[in-house]
Amino acid sequence: GAVVSQHPSRVICKSGTSVKIECRSLDFQATTMFWYRQFPKQSLMLMATSNEGSKATYEQGVEKDKFLINHASLTLSTLTVTSAHPEDSSFYICSASSGGANEQFFGPGTRLTVL
Amino acid sequence: GESVGLHLPTLSVQEGDNSIINCAYSNSASDYFIWYKQESGKGPQFIIDIRSNMDKRQGQRVTVLLNKTVKHLSLQIAATQPGDSAVYFCAENIMDSWGKLQFGAGTQVVVTP
Repeated sequence: GAVVSQHPSRVICKSGTSVKIECRSLDFQATTMFWYRQFPKQSLMLMATSNEGSKATYEQGVEKDKFLINHASLTLSTLTVTSAHPEDSSFYICSASSGGANEQFFGPGTRLTVL
Repeated sequence: GESVGLHLPTLSVQEGDNSIINCAYSNSASDYFIWYKQESGKGPQFIIDIRSNMDKRQGQRVTVLLNKTVKHLSLQIAATQPGDSAVYFCAENIMDSWGKLQFGAGTQVVVTP
């Protein structure tokens, strides 16, 4: 089956620093990738939709200058949390799709802790 | 936004019994629905999906029922096992929305021996 990986799986950083999270589709070409954030005991909230080679589309309330998304190839999307603060601590999950309304394949998530 | 102190609804099921997890979806234009299982510290795992032109679909030990009239979705798990303990989310999709999913609140399933 389709496999999506994320790196790193866990990251701890100091307040004010930037953190980059990678999402890779390992065995298929992902024309669309999605980034979600999940706080403890809560559901997944879509942050942005990323199509290869174009700018990401952000959901309402998500700051595009704080959460930089790059989808430079059909197998890699990155999310950079800039100037991270403790309230950005969360579980960040990506998913990848080969397009349209096809099934999304989810990565294992990245636990970000900002001290 | 974030809700402090939010607790997931919990369904406690005895091993071997059947589980029924319910979900009310919000958008009458949604035409594709998926159930995901999420274990602690992991990403969601696809269980089963259903399109709006169907009202029932069966998989291995799982059945999804869709009632479009009342915008209700349910997941039935037969002969629940300890490995079924997880949080279950329903998600809805509108076909022309580039595959964007909206997730429900989730239900914590706890399987007791």
